[in-house]
Amino acid sequence: NAGVMQNPRHLVRRRGQEARLRCSPMKGHSHVYWYRQLPEEGLKFMVYLQKENIIDESGMPKERFSAEFPKEGPSILRIQQVVRGDSAAYFCASSPPATGGYEQYFGPGTRLTVT
Amino acid sequence: DAKTTQPPSMDCAEGRAANLPCNHSTISGNEYVYWYRQIHSQGPQYIIHGLKNNETNEMASLIITEDRKSSTLILPHATLRDTAVYYCIVRVGGTDKLIFGTGTRLQVFP
Repeated sequence: NAGVMQNPRHLVRRRGQEARLRCSPMKGHSHVYWYRQLPEEGLKFMVYLQKENIIDESGMPKERFSAEFPKEGPSILRIQQVVRGDSAAYFCASSPPATGGYEQYFGPGTRLTVT
Repeated sequence: DAKTTQPPSMDCAEGRAANLPCNHSTISGNEYVYWYRQIHSQGPQYIIHGLKNNETNEMASLIITEDRKSSTLILPHATLRDTAVYYCIVRVGGTDKLIFGTGTRLQVFP
C-alpha cells in the first residue's frame, strides 16, 4: 500500500511564475490536508479538502493560493505569481473517511524555491 | 495557536528511555492527544495517540494523567535514528486539522 505521494519533490520557480504542487493520498483516503513549513519554522495548516469540496481553508493566504481535489486525480495546490516569501516545504497529508481519533499520514513534501 | 506546551529541547543517551513531557491543561473532553515527529526535513511521522487511557504500540508508549492535563511520550530504548522534533498535538480527532506548536527537539547521543 503506497503512502502519500507528492510531486515534484523539488520545484524552482522565478518570481511571477506559477507553481503547481500535486498530492496523491493513500489508497482509500478521501481527506487531504496541505501544510506549509517556512525555513526554520513549524508546520502551519493551510487547507483541508474532500473530493470536490473545500472543507476548511482558514490557513490559506487570501490571494494567489488555491487548492482543489477533483473527483479523479490528485489534489493540486496552486500558487500564482510566486514571490520569494513562498519558498518553503509544502506537505500534504491524508486520512480515511471516518470519525474518531484517526491519524493523518504525511507525504515527503515539495520543496519550493523561488528565485 | 497550539494548545500544548513542550520543552524546546532534550537529550537522551542511546539505549536509554526518552521521556518527553507535554502540558495541555485546556484540553476538552472530546480531544485526543496525538504525537508526531519530524526527522530532519522529512514529512511528519505519526507515532501514537490516545484519549484517556495509556496506549502502547511498536514505536512508543503514551501516558496520560488522570485529569488529562498532561501526558508523556516514552521511547523505551532510544536510538540515534530517534533524533527528531517531537510534536504533541491535541485535536478533536476524525478529520480535524493538526495545529503544530514548536515541539521538542530530541537529540539522542551515543
